[in-house]
Amino acid sequence: DVKVTQSSRYLVKRTGEKVFLECVQDMDHENMFWYRQDPGLGLRLIYFSYDVKMKEKGDIPEGYSVSREKKERFSLILESASTNQTSMYLCASSIEGNQPQHFGDGTRLSIL
Amino acid sequence: SQKIEQNSEALNIQEGKTATLTCNYTNYSPAYLQWYRQDPGRGPVFLLLIRENEKEKRKERLKVTFDTTLKQSLFHITASQPADSATYLCALLTGKLIFGQGTTLQVKP
Repeated sequence: DVKVTQSSRYLVKRTGEKVFLECVQDMDHENMFWYRQDPGLGLRLIYFSYDVKMKEKGDIPEGYSVSREKKERFSLILESASTNQTSMYLCASSIEGNQPQHFGDGTRLSIL
Repeated sequence: SQKIEQNSEALNIQEGKTATLTCNYTNYSPAYLQWYRQDPGRGPVFLLLIRENEKEKRKERLKVTFDTTLKQSLFHITASQPADSATYLCALLTGKLIFGQGTTLQVKP
């Protein structure tokens, strides 16, 4: 079974801090994704990557950046955290773009 | 505008009955439609994928239909069990995966 591991289940940070969320997958998948999930808004795509060192903006990239230096690892960076970035962040991976995505269990991030 | 709509109200049914969840979309032409299950505090888990040229797909007690004319997918769970209680998300693949907000199913013993 594919395993997607997110480094923290819960995280509390302060406004203005630089925040790193890490995601690792163990199935050699090409594609990796970062979403945020908010009540009433569902899952929204922040960034995705289809190869090492490649990245594409999703629907809500503002205030975020990503890094993919190795195939198995995809990091989401909040450059200067703000309270409106308090959310559940979900990482996913897939073999190809049209294949099912495998999700981690999420990081619930609170920005105070 | 483009929209994916799932019933935001929770669906409550009795154990043993068939649960039917609806996913409607507008202004999309998806090549694939996927259904996921999400439990509280967990990430979504893939259940079924159906292609635009398929009418129906089954997996054990699950059945998905896809009507590209009506722009609708129905997700059925037969002989439902309390363990089926969760939020179910539909997702359209149109270049990227677009998720609906999900419908929460509660199966009562």
